[in-house]
Amino acid sequence: DTAVSQTPKYLVTQMGNDKSIKCEQNLGHDTMYWYKQDSKKFLKIMFSYNNKELIINETVPNRFSPKSPDKAHLNLHINSLELGDSAVYFCASSQIDEQYFGPGTRLTVT
Amino acid sequence: QQQVKQSPQSLIVQKGGISIINCAYENTAFDYFPWYQQFPGKGPALLIAIRPDVSEKKEGRFTISFNKSAKQFSLHIMDSQPGDSATYFCAASKGDYKLSFGAGTTVTVRA
Repeated sequence: DTAVSQTPKYLVTQMGNDKSIKCEQNLGHDTMYWYKQDSKKFLKIMFSYNNKELIINETVPNRFSPKSPDKAHLNLHINSLELGDSAVYFCASSQIDEQYFGPGTRLTVT
Repeated sequence: QQQVKQSPQSLIVQKGGISIINCAYENTAFDYFPWYQQFPGKGPALLIAIRPDVSEKKEGRFTISFNKSAKQFSLHIMDSQPGDSATYFCAASKGDYKLSFGAGTTVTVRA
């Protein structure tokens, strides 16, 4: 009964490929997020959806496209992967302020 | 630009000691200040949070001290245990769903 789950946990791929990460939350929250954690552990928000509507879109390359099919799911699709995309990507959800994070997806681009 | 500055980058404390992590912010519109704990290979987990209308909040061995005039807040871990060894992040938000995180502090508790 994991609150926020992500798949896959690890993703190794080559430059130029397209990949997706899936996220699901069973907390009944209205808002979901994608964060990127770089090699220095710095956490930065990428996107946020509230009731399937995009509300935060930070300065992220347009190769990254989030999709929210419903309130409980937020997926991240990345086109034309680059070496610099290697990082850990976290999904999170919240009702108001308290954000709950998933276990992360470690993406390695070779 | 980083909106929340966190120090130190790392600290080592003996078992039973006190760990103190400090954060400073500039944006006076921030009204929610959480701390997250992250273990290796796991996602950040909400530890404790405070709003500017109180100067201190305590949950078990974890205490947040908040100084609104100085725009600073800190996390104190009392009676530190080896299981507290983790990376701690402060963060701030102004009710717009956007959490601005500090750079993180790696805490190592020596037995």
